[in-house]
Amino acid sequence: EADIYQTPRYLVIGTGKKITLECSQTMGHDKMYWYQQDPGMELHLIHYSYGVNSTEKGDLSSESTVSRIRTEHFPLTLESARPSHTSQYLCASSQTFSRGALGVYYGYTFGSGTRLTVV
Amino acid sequence: GNSVTQMEGPVTLSEEAFLTINCTYTATGYPSLFWYVQYPGEGLQLLLKATKADDKGSNKGFEATYRKETTSFHLEKGSVQVSDSAVYFCALNYGGSQGNLIFGKGTKLSVKP
Repeated sequence: EADIYQTPRYLVIGTGKKITLECSQTMGHDKMYWYQQDPGMELHLIHYSYGVNSTEKGDLSSESTVSRIRTEHFPLTLESARPSHTSQYLCASSQTFSRGALGVYYGYTFGSGTRLTVV
Repeated sequence: GNSVTQMEGPVTLSEEAFLTINCTYTATGYPSLFWYVQYPGEGLQLLLKATKADDKGSNKGFEATYRKETTSFHLEKGSVQVSDSAVYFCALNYGGSQGNLIFGKGTKLSVKP
């Protein structure tokens, strides 16, 4: 079954450690995204990619970095974790659908998320 | 710029009550509109969508109608269940160069038995 997978689901790590959050999708989607969700539930786009070797920063500045070497894989890395990085991180991918004369829209699929706690 | 405004929560209802979560948007042109749901500890799932004016999206007893004249996409359900307790996000998307989803801030719904 086509899906999008995030690992780990939960991670507790000490300050200063390097971490990588994994995101993989089996749907062949070109577009992928990382969102950070704050405790108040609001979603903030931190990174996106429109294809292999393409990465862009999102609306919220983040100290994390991403890479897109393969279509199916979009990992997020924090070189030195801090307590301020504690958050829920959601990965997504999207597929283009036609609306005829109105253009297109992107249908998103989200992973289950990684809850990161930095102590 | 493009934006989505939805009613603030939390919203607490008794089982079988009627639900409305208001959502309005600011956008140029003709965006597609979505409602996503996030159950506790999970990612987001698409609940319903409408891709043009006057379309009605529906799923699992939830409905929302794309009203261009009032720039609204209110979510409704006639009789909520405890299992509907979740966070609901309204969102818009154009595709193309402006293709990233724009979310509202989310509305937490709690349904009591």
